[in-house]
Amino acid sequence: QKEVEQDPGPLSVPEGAIVSLNCTYSNSAFQYFMWYRQYSRKGPELLMYTYSSGNKEDGRFTAQVDKSSKYISLFIRDSQPSDSATYLCAAHSGGYQKVTFGTGTKLQVIP
Amino acid sequence: EADIYQTPRYLVIGTGKKITLECSQTMGHDKMYWYQQDPGMELHLIHYSYGVNSTEKGDLSSESTVSRIRTEHFPLTLESARPSHTSQYLCASSEWPKETQYFGPGTRLLVL
Repeated sequence: QKEVEQDPGPLSVPEGAIVSLNCTYSNSAFQYFMWYRQYSRKGPELLMYTYSSGNKEDGRFTAQVDKSSKYISLFIRDSQPSDSATYLCAAHSGGYQKVTFGTGTKLQVIP
Repeated sequence: EADIYQTPRYLVIGTGKKITLECSQTMGHDKMYWYQQDPGMELHLIHYSYGVNSTEKGDLSSESTVSRIRTEHFPLTLESARPSHTSQYLCASSEWPKETQYFGPGTRLLVL
C-alpha cells in the first residue's frame, strides 16, 4: 500500500465549477502537506503548503488537512480552463525524511 | 518562479552513448533530487543529495549515477543509454525544514 493514495482521475468539470481533489495517507508521522500542479510536459510547481491540520487559502485555492482522518483536500473555486493540469499531493514528516508524492489527479476544466 | 534549471530540455540519442543531464539551482538549497516520470505516470525518486559530497539512491532502481561537488550543481549521468531509459527526468531542490521542493522544467530523453 502506498503511503499517499490519490485517485488518478481524470476529472472533468465545467468552467466555473468548484473542484475538490483529495488524498489519503497512512503515515501518522506526516506533518507537512503540499499540493503541486503539473502542466503537461512541465515540472511540478508548488501550489500550497500546510503544516499539520487546518485550512489554508490562497486566492481561488484552499488546502485542507484533517489529520484525524488522514485526509488532504484541495478545493479550487471558479475553476478555469487554465486550471487543467495534473495535481499532486505530497506529505512529509520532517527532518531528513523524504517527501512522499501521490500519483496525481488529472483535471480537465471544460470551457 | 523557482530558480532551478535543467539542460538539455530535450535529448534524442542512440543506444550505448554516455549522457549527462545538468541541473543547477541558485537558491542555495542543500537538498537536491532527481525524479523519473513517464508520461501521465507518477514521480519516481532515483537519486537525492543532502549537500556537497552527499548522494543517495532513491526508491526506484536506476542505472544512472549522480555527483554533488558544488551546492548549486547536481548532474545525472548515464554511462550507456538504453531505450528503457527513455523518460522525463526532473530535478528538484528544497530548503530544510519545510521540504517544499522546487522543480526544474525537466529533460525529456529519447533513446533510440
